[in-house]
Amino acid sequence: AQRVTQPEKLLSVFKGAPVELKCNYSYSGSPELFWYVQYSRQRLQLLLRHISRESIKGFTADLNKGETSFHLKKPFAQEEDSAMYYCALQGSNSGYALNFGKGTSLLVTP
Amino acid sequence: KAGVTQTPRYLIKTRGQQVTLSCSPISGHRSVSWYQQTPGQGLQFLFEYFSETQRNKGNFPGRFSGRQFSNSRSEMNVSTLELGDSALYLCASSLGGTNLVFGPGTRLTVL
Repeated sequence: AQRVTQPEKLLSVFKGAPVELKCNYSYSGSPELFWYVQYSRQRLQLLLRHISRESIKGFTADLNKGETSFHLKKPFAQEEDSAMYYCALQGSNSGYALNFGKGTSLLVTP
Repeated sequence: KAGVTQTPRYLIKTRGQQVTLSCSPISGHRSVSWYQQTPGQGLQFLFEYFSETQRNKGNFPGRFSGRQFSNSRSEMNVSTLELGDSALYLCASSLGGTNLVFGPGTRLTVL
């Protein structure tokens, strides 16, 4: 069975502080992992995927297969980063279905 | 490039009724997926269509069904509505199934 866990419902940091949004998964095969973001009054949108190994808006995420984690990090948080963040897993045996975590609400305060 | 559009944006129905939601994908995208979002369960996969064929289905009762037309537009239908079906229904399109682009959603309220 596949499962995505985001242990924090809410994460509050000060502007300029580092931020790490945690994501742990359980999956027996080789998953594809994603981070989606939803800003206030906007649509859910793809932030990054592990296979791309790129940095988007200063965010990076590394897939750690040993710890089955895909944490999202940014060294210096900005107020505009305040949003809902969802980690999602796509398993090879489930077609293109995304299994989402419950999400973490990030609040960056000045 | 126009984004994913969903109609209607808001719906109010009563228990026992049925409802049809519509999704128009980005031009050129052949995959359409549907998700249900609720405060308690979060985002849950309903089904995915590609070139008019259902490729994958989530763990929802048979009251939830969908289809895709030759122009890639998709509809989902929920019959015999229950209070618990109240949710935001999101449609997403993609070229082949990954890198989903989401629509704004249809907010369904069942009274």
